[in-house]
Amino acid sequence: QKEVEQDPGPLSVPEGAIVSLNCTYSNSAFQYFMWYRQYSRKGPELLMYTYSSGNKEDGRFTAQVDKSSKYISLFIRDSQPSDSATYLCAMNPTSGSRLTFGEGTQLTVNP
Amino acid sequence: EAGVVQSPRYKIIEKKQPVAFWCNPISGHNTLYWYRQNLGQGPELLIRYENEEAVDDSQLPKDRFSAERLKGVDSTLKIQPAELGDSAVYLCASSSTGVASYTFGSGTRLTVV
Repeated sequence: QKEVEQDPGPLSVPEGAIVSLNCTYSNSAFQYFMWYRQYSRKGPELLMYTYSSGNKEDGRFTAQVDKSSKYISLFIRDSQPSDSATYLCAMNPTSGSRLTFGEGTQLTVNP
Repeated sequence: EAGVVQSPRYKIIEKKQPVAFWCNPISGHNTLYWYRQNLGQGPELLIRYENEEAVDDSQLPKDRFSAERLKGVDSTLKIQPAELGDSAVYLCASSSTGVASYTFGSGTRLTVV
């Protein structure tokens, strides 16, 4: 069993839709939870991170962590075609240590 | 500020040949990582350096892979000999203190034929 599970999609939505991306994990030691966006033939780019449980909002993006359920989410409001990319969740027990990634969800936002 | 720089961007080699990848991290970042990303998968750590010291290399296939980070700045990852299953994107990342500093390069796409 993988430490981090992520639905690979693909996910296709119309422009303006609300997108929900999710990951589950099994390692209770994880404390830092990140969401990366990866465009084709590019490296992952950090979107948001959360320490421990709670919510964090940045513009159209909201990250949620529920450590009791070992479940994290990323919500994208008013999705745009430029949001089309692969979204990777990642987590680690301490800042700077190895990241454990999900396999990524491929998102397409159609104009 | 320049990001993490990797070269080459693409490499095609025949199996059993050697190959090397180079990474220049963000200035001031003491921690350097090499990850491998297979098609349709998330990146997996191969090795992590704190300055010149390799502090996490448990996932590095040491029979054919080697890495070095001389003077605690640039790093080189080598595969010798390459196998078909080594075809992947090799990503370098660097960080200082703080989660937000963790930055990836664009990667080297290796194809072994």
